[in-house]
Order: sequence, then structure tokens, then C-alpha cells
Amino acid sequence: GNSVTQMEGPVTLSEEAFLTINCTYTATGYPSLFWYVQYPGEGLQLLLKATKADDKGSNKGFEATYRKETTSFHLEKGSVQVSDSAVYFCALSGPPGTSYGKLTFGQGTILTVHP
Amino acid sequence: DTEVTQTPKHLVMGMTNKKSLKCEQHMGHRAMYWYKQKAKKPPELMFVYSYEKLSINESVPSRFSPECPNSSLLNLHLHALQPEDSALYLCASSRAPYRPGDTEAFFGQGTRLTVV
Repeated sequence: GNSVTQMEGPVTLSEEAFLTINCTYTATGYPSLFWYVQYPGEGLQLLLKATKADDKGSNKGFEATYRKETTSFHLEKGSVQVSDSAVYFCALSGPPGTSYGKLTFGQGTILTVHP
Repeated sequence: DTEVTQTPKHLVMGMTNKKSLKCEQHMGHRAMYWYKQKAKKPPELMFVYSYEKLSINESVPSRFSPECPNSSLLNLHLHALQPEDSALYLCASSRAPYRPGDTEAFFGQGTRLTVV
């Protein structure tokens, strides 16, 4: 079956530091890959996505590249802000035509950014 | 309108009560989902509706009963719950359940359920 493995947290950074959160996956075929963010007390918001190999998703300064050869989708941001403090989930769906869009999530990484 | 709206935001119910959670979207999405999220854990899929038909039931106990009255609405009926069912219940929708790019899910804010 499908699975997603995220680096264990929590991650604590100072403002303007560089962020990397590692994510690797196991799936048949070509799944779609996502990063979701969850702020305290809220639902999940889609941060970025990629649907095929070598696609780069980007949003709000965050980036992730779909690497088929290493089955990875690592999240990066060049300069984090206090407002980026949240829980980040890597997720996949697919491959196409299967699983009805069911999302398989990683365990989540808690990010705390200090001023 | 890119919102998925869930009501209520908070719910406290006794183990003998019957209650319902409601979810609504007006994005024309044809796949809708219920997820359950315990504290400090990722969401776990409960049900998937595809074109208003139940497509996936992840072996959820019968005390949880989903309903999809039309393409915009999704309900979750609750009856005789247990304290361990206390969690954040998230509704989500996507354009369609099959094609790449169409499975991007939009989530609601969730209903925080406490069973006493």
C-alpha cells in the first residue's frame, strides 16, 4: 500500500533561517504529492502540490520538487517567519484511477519559529 | 468561493445522544471526504463519496453514519459514541476522485467533538 515518511520533529528555528522538512513516499505508479499546513485549532490548508515527476510546487516562499528517482518531496523555504509556525503534513493520493482521491499522510512535523 | 464550511465548530455530546455534523461546499466538487484527526496525529480517512455515492468506508464503526444528500452537502450522523471517539472531524472535497490534479483536497475548519 501507499505510505509517507516525514522527518521527525519538532523543528525549532530562528526567524530568517533556512527550512527543510524531508518527505519520502512509497506508492505504485505516479501518485500526486502535496504539502498541507495546519495552524493551531484549524483545519488543513493546501500549501503546494505536484502531480508528475520533476514538477516543482511553490507557494508563499515554500518549494518542493517531485523526485521520482528518490521517491521524495522535500519541503524548503529560504527564510522562515514566526507566522510559519505550524504543523506540516506531506501527503499523497493516487495513482490516478485508484483510491478515489484518498490522501495518505505522513506523521506531521511541528515547526516552531522564534523571533 | 473556495471554502468548505463545517458546522458546528464545537460539539459536546453524551454517549446516548444522537447528533449530526454538516459539511457544505459550492465549488462544484464531486468527491467529498470525512477524516478523523486525533491530537498530534495526521488525519485518518473515514469515508469517501464520489458523485454522491459511497465509494470508500474504511471499516468505520456503524455508530458513524455518513450521508450525501446532494453534490454540495455531506453529513455525518453520530449515535452512541464512545469517549475515544473524541477528535477533530474534518470534511474535505476535491474536483473529482480520479485524475491527477483533480484530487487536490480542500479542507474545512473541522468540528471539535467531545464525547462525555
